[in-house]
Amino acid sequence: SQKIEQNSEALNIQEGKTATLTCNYTNYSPAYLQWYRQDPGRGPVFLLLIRENEKEKRKERLKVTFDTTLKQSLFHITASQPADSATYLCALGGYSSASKIIFGSGTRLSIRP
Amino acid sequence: GAGVSQSPSNKVTEKGKDVELRCDPISGHTALYWYRQSLGQGLEFLIYFQGNSAPDKSGLPSDRFSAERTGGSVSTLTIQRTQQEDSAVYLCASSLVLRGTSGRVEQYFGPGTRLTVT
Repeated sequence: SQKIEQNSEALNIQEGKTATLTCNYTNYSPAYLQWYRQDPGRGPVFLLLIRENEKEKRKERLKVTFDTTLKQSLFHITASQPADSATYLCALGGYSSASKIIFGSGTRLSIRP
Repeated sequence: GAGVSQSPSNKVTEKGKDVELRCDPISGHTALYWYRQSLGQGLEFLIYFQGNSAPDKSGLPSDRFSAERTGGSVSTLTIQRTQQEDSAVYLCASSLVLRGTSGRVEQYFGPGTRLTVT
């Protein structure tokens, strides 16, 4: 069955450093991959989408890579700030509009001052 | 513009009772999803509505769960004979998905309904 794995352990990073989160998947050939941010008590908020024919996407301090051979995406936050502390979820989608989007369990990121 | 809204924000019910959760998606969004999230866990897919197509119900955990989407807009998730393990946050999301293409597929989530079954 389709499976998405994110590091279940919390990631603690010193402010100013680059945070790197990993998303691995199996038994799936996604058309695209998304990253979302979720704060406690709130719904996830969309951050970035990267398509299967793209290797890298950037948005301000965020960078996402997508390696379909390794079946892995890396999510980087450069110059991290305490306000970046949240849970980050990756999600995969298929080629058809009928394909549902499936989510990983998320990685909790804490940025200490 | 208005985002996705859900009601109620919190619901406490007794075991065995039925509950209805409501989702108002963003106007014009063709796709609507329901997810369940237990404390500290990821999103568990429940059901997906896309336009006039038959919904993907593959994530519904039991026949006690059902959902409707009326007029391609508002959706109601119904849980019959609630059990304590149904306690979770139920999240709704909508997106604009064009038939035959992936379209703008980012999802916009509501704030969720926290369901507690006592």
